[in-house]
Amino acid sequence: DTEVTQTPKHLVMGMTNKKSLKCEQHMGHRAMYWYKQKAKKPPELMFVYSYEKLSINESVPSRFSPECPNSSLLNLHLHALQPEDSALYLCASSQDVSPRKLFFGSGTQLSVL
Amino acid sequence: DQQVKQNSPSLSVQEGRISILNCDYTNSMFDYFLWYKKYPAEGPTFLISISSIKDKNEDGRFTVFLNKSAKHLSLHIVPSQPGDSAVYFCAACYGGSQGNLIFGKGTKLSVKP
Repeated sequence: DTEVTQTPKHLVMGMTNKKSLKCEQHMGHRAMYWYKQKAKKPPELMFVYSYEKLSINESVPSRFSPECPNSSLLNLHLHALQPEDSALYLCASSQDVSPRKLFFGSGTQLSVL
Repeated sequence: DQQVKQNSPSLSVQEGRISILNCDYTNSMFDYFLWYKKYPAEGPTFLISISSIKDKNEDGRFTVFLNKSAKHLSLHIVPSQPGDSAVYFCAACYGGSQGNLIFGKGTKLSVKP
């Protein structure tokens, strides 16, 4: 199994909603990542978890709250988002935090109304 | 300021010919470079990588060349196939960057039958 599975694939939410994005991998990888990609822009790193501990937060606003319940799961909790937060949110994993080979999920396309 | 630049947003090539995708970088600390391929509605897929101690890495139809003095790398695909049509992202990182891949904006390759 070399897949990173993300749910949901699409999400539309209002600015007062609370929602969560989910990511799962069963490759035994110990590092997991959230990236954000706006249209016609490259993916940008948001968070890195290493051995279930948050190791990097790239100055992401607190309305995005990551959670790593165990080594296979990564969540991104969303609250009070802004329309400019609309983007493709990509989850990735790697064997360790040395990013020699990241496996990406298909992403969640988020629209904030 | 972009640290990884892909100056050609698109490239069109005839099937069977060579595709050459270019990437420039500005940060001399980068010591590892990767190419990812992305189809619509899918996450990026790892293609090939190269360490800064090498100037060439080959994997089947794909070869990456690194010119450190020019801070330039290129991906050669030969022969090109219609299934290679996708967006190709160049990415770079360095030893202490802990999972922070810096991506270029991507080049959309179209291989025509």
